[in-house]
Amino acid sequence: EIVLTQSPATLSVSPGERATLSCRASQSIDRYLAWYQQRPGQVPRLLIYGASKRATGIPARFSGSGSGTDFTLTINSLEPADFAIYYCQQRINWPPTFGQGTRVEI
Amino acid sequence: QVQLVESGGGVVRPGGSQTLACVASGFSFSNYGMHWVRQAPGKGLDWVAAISADGDYQFYGDSMKGQVIISRDNSKNTLYLQMKSLRTEDTAVYYCAKDQDSDFWRGSPLDYWGQGTLVTVSS
Repeated sequence: EIVLTQSPATLSVSPGERATLSCRASQSIDRYLAWYQQRPGQVPRLLIYGASKRATGIPARFSGSGSGTDFTLTINSLEPADFAIYYCQQRINWPPTFGQGTRVEI
Repeated sequence: QVQLVESGGGVVRPGGSQTLACVASGFSFSNYGMHWVRQAPGKGLDWVAAISADGDYQFYGDSMKGQVIISRDNSKNTLYLQMKSLRTEDTAVYYCAKDQDSDFWRGSPLDYWGQGTLVTVSS
């Protein structure tokens, strides 16, 4: 099973600042990585897939990069609605594992 | 629009069984792989199982392997998760989710999620 390690566990930022989240895979996953956002009390929402492609309706301030084992989710100009937990998921192998999440807090 | 509505959650005794259902609408259900993902209270996402569009292939995560069976009825646009030998640590919200791509083997992300159904395992 591929293990995804997200860092940091918690990221404290101010509105308007940039947040940089990391996801590292235990083996190469090419670009088969997705990012999800989960706001408090809400359902996970797909943000990024294929490491860098924004899902439908996702604002341009969200961007993804990376390939192989190291991936980054960048959120520019943080808005109040962006304070949430972010998960990465790999889809190159079964089972499609998730990282443990990064909480972005004010 | 795409809708996934789960049902079947509730309180179950340890060692008991439960079957969850997810009714899909707004897309061609029989063309897409489907997944179950769970989330224990205050914890992260845990992938449980997936099934191909035609139901011929199933995959299970280590956390519930041997405890669950995923199935689907394309004539009813419904996904199922049969669970047995439930333990207190299986207490979680169980979400059904849809593959983004109709090619099950493409490894696409999960683009739509239901609201989830809470299963509480407690004596």
